[in-house]
Amino acid sequence: QQQVKQSPQSLIVQKGGISIINCAYENTAFDYFPWYQQFPGKGPALLIAIRPDVSEKKEGRFTISFNKSAKQFSLHIMDSQPGDSATYFCAASLVDAGTYKYIFGTGTRLKVLA
Amino acid sequence: DAGVIQSPRHEVTEMGQEVTLRCKPISGHNSLFWYRQTMMRGLELLIYFNNNVPIDDSGMPEDRFSAKMPNASFSTLKIQPSEPRDSAVYFCASRVGPTNTEAFFGQGTRLTVV
Repeated sequence: QQQVKQSPQSLIVQKGGISIINCAYENTAFDYFPWYQQFPGKGPALLIAIRPDVSEKKEGRFTISFNKSAKQFSLHIMDSQPGDSATYFCAASLVDAGTYKYIFGTGTRLKVLA
Repeated sequence: DAGVIQSPRHEVTEMGQEVTLRCKPISGHNSLFWYRQTMMRGLELLIYFNNNVPIDDSGMPEDRFSAKMPNASFSTLKIQPSEPRDSAVYFCASRVGPTNTEAFFGQGTRLTVV
């Protein structure tokens, strides 16, 4: 019940296209949904996050869409650029023993072709 | 601040040897997390600490793994004895807890057990 399922495992998009990564969860106790971006040889870094009381959050070319009833959320990258090539992780957070812990999806390797 | 600092960046060791990974969290952060990253399983939460106290170690794969946080500025993850299947990238992350805020990751330690 604490799993977060992420798809696809890998994604290839042409420059200027839209990249879409999907995640699903079961546990309704999750109350914070961040996306992390990881470049090769680096640690993951926070990209954008959403709380379940809103259905969409946009920051520049990055948008999270959130469907609470379906327990699904997705990351949309508009006008994808070669510099967006990275691994993307969705995550879900819940309170456990007085602190918040993140459960990550398995990651999506995005490659944007020039 | 220099961010979360992990050492060593790379470690190659022979099966059966003891391995110790080190982490220095960001000053003022009181939640610390150890993750393991593999291609097959993505980012797995191994253990997390709140105010230097281990809160949940249910993700530690077996008794060969142990983690300590003797003070607010240092944590170790030890594997004894190491096995080839332990080969992975190990990340440490810290956060101003216990609120739902951004977790900052170190650059990771790439462990290879031969």
